[in-house]
Order: sequence, then C-alpha cells, then structure tokens
Amino acid sequence: AQSVTQLDSQVPVFEEAPVELRCNYSSSVSVYLFWYVQYPNQGLQLLLKYLSGSTLVKGINGFEAEFNKSQTSFHLRKPSVHISDTAEYFCAALNTNAGKSTFGDGTTLTVKP
Amino acid sequence: DAGVTQSPTHLIKTRGQQVTLRCSPKSGHDTVSWYQQALGQGPQFIFQYYEEEERQRGNFPDRFSGHQFPNYSSELNVNALLLGDSALYLCASSWGIGETQYFGPGTRLLVL
Repeated sequence: AQSVTQLDSQVPVFEEAPVELRCNYSSSVSVYLFWYVQYPNQGLQLLLKYLSGSTLVKGINGFEAEFNKSQTSFHLRKPSVHISDTAEYFCAALNTNAGKSTFGDGTTLTVKP
Repeated sequence: DAGVTQSPTHLIKTRGQQVTLRCSPKSGHDTVSWYQQALGQGPQFIFQYYEEEERQRGNFPDRFSGHQFPNYSSELNVNALLLGDSALYLCASSWGIGETQYFGPGTRLLVL
C-alpha cells in the first residue's frame, strides 16, 4: 500500500519570490515519484519525475524537486515564480510493479503580483 | 507526436443512464490507466489495461468497466450512473506497466 500527503493545501506567494510545495510519501513497495501541474479545466501535465540516481531532479518551467529517502519526502521548489505558475500541483507515487499511481490531494499555488 | 487524446470533452447524463468514454494513448504506448478526479480532490485510480486485459483495479464498483482494443485505445464504461459519478475522468498512457504515465485532457462528466 502507498499514500501521498501534500502538507499544504494552499500556498500564496508574490511574483518573483521562491516557493516550496511539500510532499511526503509512504510505501511498502518500490515507487517512482512525480509532480504534475493542472491548470483550470485541463488535464495533468508532467513537471518532473524521480526514478533513481541523483536525488535532485529538474523539470520543466524552472521547477526542481529533491528526493529524500530518510524523510520520505519529495518537495517541489522554484527559485522565482511567475503569475503563470498559478495552478494546482499534484504529487504522485507510482507503484512500479502494479502500475497504479497514488496522488496527494493537491496544493493550490497562487502567485500574486 | 500526438499526446493522449480523450473524447468527448464534456458530457451530461441523467441518473441511471450509461456512459462510454474513449481514450487514445500517446504514440508508442501500450498501457492505459483510468482515473476519476472529483472536484477539489486528487485523481483516484480506477483500473489499468495492458495487452487488452484489466491488470489492476482500484476501489471502484463493478458498474465501472473497460476495454482495450488491439490498437491500444481504450474505453471506460459506467453503468447505472449516480450523482456521485460526476467528475473529471482522466486517461493516462505509458509504455508498459509501472512506467511514467502521461495524461490526457480528461472528460468532464456531469450526472443530473
């Protein structure tokens, strides 16, 4: 079984400020970790993924995330946000044997001018 | 390279009716998974198809069924619709089970 917890349901931030969206996971099996972004009335777009290797992964739109095995976390960061980053962000854990993804409840990032 | 496509984009049904949603995977992908996303929540796994068979199933009743065709496209069928079935239905494709999933734009179903 696996679970994903996104620690912040809403994160307001000013434009050009840094941001961190927090994600903790729990799993008894091997998982890959992902961050997806969802804009209003759209599907999920893959931001970045951690499969193995370097614990710091870089994604699209200037986002990066760090995998921390001891803390079972996979936090998403961006050094300087833009208005266009306003969206819903989902952390997900993919069971590599079963192929089933478990998602967190999402974090609403609101970037204010 | 076309991504994952879904049809229709929106659908309105009444309670008790049946609905069929369709998904075409990303080129080169052979595995299709379906998710239900209720308003304000994260997606919930419904089931996954690989080699035209249901391989994994989430905690959804038998009213939810599916099919995968030889060209890897897939259908999701929901019978005896309930108000609570109103949601965004997302299709995701991957190259094999347990590989990175890419999502389509979804079908928004409203049950009245």
